[in-house]
Amino acid sequence: AQTVTQSQPEMSVQEAETVTLSCTYDTSESDYYLFWYKQPPSRQMILVIRQEAYKQQNATENRFSVNFQKAAKSFSLKISDSQLGDAAMYFCAYKEAGANNLFFGTGTRLTVIP
Amino acid sequence: DTAVSQTPKYLVTQMGNDKSIKCEQNLGHDTMYWYKQDSKKFLKIMFSYNNKELIINETVPNRFSPKSPDKAHLNLHINSLELGDSAVYFCASSRVLTAGADTQYFGPGTRLTVL
Repeated sequence: AQTVTQSQPEMSVQEAETVTLSCTYDTSESDYYLFWYKQPPSRQMILVIRQEAYKQQNATENRFSVNFQKAAKSFSLKISDSQLGDAAMYFCAYKEAGANNLFFGTGTRLTVIP
Repeated sequence: DTAVSQTPKYLVTQMGNDKSIKCEQNLGHDTMYWYKQDSKKFLKIMFSYNNKELIINETVPNRFSPKSPDKAHLNLHINSLELGDSAVYFCASSRVLTAGADTQYFGPGTRLTVL
């Protein structure tokens, strides 16, 4: 079974600084997709960024970028120039190609310090 | 315009009652889902529906029954509520059933509290 592990229950970062959230996953598949979702206090689950496993280039969305290491099964999220609005729970998720089931990690609570 | 909406946002009820949570998406998506987020924030899929057909039932008790009157709606009905059913329930939708990186869009969640 696929498992997604987020080893950092909580992280904090100073405003305007950079923070990296870790995620590892376990799969025997070669074709899959990875996602980072953000859940602010409003509870809304918001897609931050996604990565196709067949792409070598790391995905980037404005201040958010990933470090995808397929061999190591690692998918970390880097947030640059952190803003107060980035404070939230961040969930890493995995989806096998051809399936529609998202497997989520246990989340990392990010605090942004003014 | 809200893409995926759920009602109600909060639901407090007594043990043993029957309740429903409604979900609607206006994205024209073919596939809809229900997820449960427990008190430790762990999210796990419960059901998936594609064009009104059940695709996944991840060992959810049969007290939970999804109902999809059309592909834009997926409601969750829960019979004989138990204390352990207290959680946040999320509805989500995606464009097609097996598309690769097809993003799932989530509703705002329904916090269910069983007393």
